[in-house]
Amino acid sequence: TAGITQAPTSQILAAGRSMTLRCTQDMRHNAMYWYRQDLGLGLRLIHYSNTAGTTGKGEVPDGYSVSRANTDDFPLTLASAVPSQTSVYFCASSDDSNQPQHFGDGTRLSIL
Amino acid sequence: GQNIDQPTEMTATEGAIVQINCTYQTSGFNGLFWYQQHAGEAPTFLSYNVLDGLEEKGRFSSFLSRSKGYSYLLLKELQMKDSASYLCAVRDSNYQLIWGAGTKLIIKP
Repeated sequence: TAGITQAPTSQILAAGRSMTLRCTQDMRHNAMYWYRQDLGLGLRLIHYSNTAGTTGKGEVPDGYSVSRANTDDFPLTLASAVPSQTSVYFCASSDDSNQPQHFGDGTRLSIL
Repeated sequence: GQNIDQPTEMTATEGAIVQINCTYQTSGFNGLFWYQQHAGEAPTFLSYNVLDGLEEKGRFSSFLSRSKGYSYLLLKELQMKDSASYLCAVRDSNYQLIWGAGTKLIIKP
């Protein structure tokens, strides 16, 4: 089934290590997003990309970086993980910013 | 600041009707979305309102009043599979979604 694929599904990472969360979509959507979801809080936007080659900062960008080399892929990198980055990370895409967003299954990341 | 408020948890009976409210204060308004999220799964799109009034889609309806900064999601003929969290999100002046924390709906037989 077409959609968004995130990898890995879950990961335990030592503090200070780097990690890249992968996100690939096959719907040819222009816009892609990275969110984190923490208990008791709404989804919070980390970074977004309205089209290939461009990226922007969301509400909580510190400690994270992204790239958008092509339409399909939007990896999220933690350069030096800290325990406060323990969360569930969702990648999403939409045809444009006016359309509903479609979500991947998420990556559960624990930083120890 | 921007704020989306929803009840944390609601309980309803199978076969009944439940209304989940959402109030918002955002910098600009370009539409309101409702998503459903089952535990451990991804959010899935339910409905979208940009003009005042009621949007009906099968057992689910969503209402919007922009002057009151208020929306509700109405679920009819509740089924056990409707047990999930329901997320309200507003698209702000930058066309980014601001999300509420979600309402956990528990359906009892």
